[in-house]
Amino acid sequence: GAGVSQSPSNKVTEKGKDVELRCDPISGHTALYWYRQSLGQGLEFLIYFQGNSAPDKSGLPSDRFSAERTGGSVSTLTIQRTQQEDSAVYLCASSQYNSPLHFGNGTRLTVT
Amino acid sequence: QKEVEQNSGPLSVPEGAIASLNCTYSDRGSQSFFWYRQYSGKSPELIMFIYSNGDKEDGRFTAQLNKASQYVSLLIRDSQPSDSATYLCAVKGDQGGKLIFGQGTELSVKP
Repeated sequence: GAGVSQSPSNKVTEKGKDVELRCDPISGHTALYWYRQSLGQGLEFLIYFQGNSAPDKSGLPSDRFSAERTGGSVSTLTIQRTQQEDSAVYLCASSQYNSPLHFGNGTRLTVT
Repeated sequence: QKEVEQNSGPLSVPEGAIASLNCTYSDRGSQSFFWYRQYSGKSPELIMFIYSNGDKEDGRFTAQLNKASQYVSLLIRDSQPSDSATYLCAVKGDQGGKLIFGQGTELSVKP
């Protein structure tokens, strides 16, 4: 079946611009995660959605970052006023409740 | 103290040897433990998960969990060059909370 789909796969933007990253989870998966991975680093937790519960936003690095999940399915991660340190691969993953995560291929963001 | 800690490596083993990868975690309430493999430029892929104390074997891979010591490990028997990758330990707290990853251990298997 279809896996987790992320778009765009690559995004180059100028410092100060806003960007939106999209994630389509596997159908029926109630949990959705966003992680950030800088070059040579591990996965940095950003935000976690589980069903209709309030999202866990404890990993968002600043108020320039926000995310929403509409209808319990598609999620959008928005970064406002991008900075060069925002350059990284942004990974989305989904799962059934308390089951292993399935990752998308990521969006590589480059801020120039 | 980081929530999930791994040695960054690189860990180098000869082909055919056993590779041992280790992970410690800080939250005593953690209930679910996962090992992911990540090849360079690719997304992480699940290798194994373990929920109970003891060993869990799947082919050449064995996951070991010791909740009293807050320690989880992954053994790879008969290591192959294709096993060369970064191995990520991930831990989830109780009540189905967020999944936290360690920094990963880079494994290099030399022919």
